[in-house]
Amino acid sequence: GAGVSQSPRYKVTKRGQDVALRCDPISGHVSLYWYRQALGQGPEFLTYFNYEAQQDKSGLPNDRFSAERPEGSISTLTIQRTEQRDSAMYRCASSLGGAPNQPQHFGDGTRLSIL
Amino acid sequence: GNSVTQMEGPVTLSEEAFLTINCTYTATGYPSLFWYVQYPGEGLQLLLKATKADDKGSNKGFEATYRKETTSFHLEKGSVQVSDSAVYFCALSDPNFNKFYFGSGTKLNVKP
Repeated sequence: GAGVSQSPRYKVTKRGQDVALRCDPISGHVSLYWYRQALGQGPEFLTYFNYEAQQDKSGLPNDRFSAERPEGSISTLTIQRTEQRDSAMYRCASSLGGAPNQPQHFGDGTRLSIL
Repeated sequence: GNSVTQMEGPVTLSEEAFLTINCTYTATGYPSLFWYVQYPGEGLQLLLKATKADDKGSNKGFEATYRKETTSFHLEKGSVQVSDSAVYFCALSDPNFNKFYFGSGTKLNVKP
């Protein structure tokens, strides 16, 4: 596709359930980023990949959060045993990579609501 | 550490008014600076960027100059339109760690 695609657009689930959020980056983009955005705030870094390698996961809040990108393209962010405080917009972005000043291209996000 | 501070919104202007949205940053090293825009119901889109001191980024009538001496990257537009109504995010890219840091966003409302 032409842009970064995220699915689902909306996810409502009960506390304690696991959720998996998917990101399909722009074809050819080396770097892939996950962010969490609370209402009225800017995106907060969670983790990023170059190809299939997770380069930095320092923003993941705790060990219930994990991410993978096994073939260097599509990525999945998984949240286990969800809690109400996990409710937020989760955004994925991709970039060409290779240089830190490459702009990031964002998907429309997944709105996660934990009941 | 790295951080970005933006002026709080909302900012409400009449059409054709002059716009300034202030952004200051704290960074280790020499970051690149960006403005992103989020229109209602859409994702973030890159508006403009500057990669070194004194660079000016510009796009769609918006401009921002990378001021190292004041650690600022203020967004300006000479004449806003209703279609500019959106949330604007200032961001920096840490060259050492390839991470982005975003400000909290400034909502702009432009009235006809």
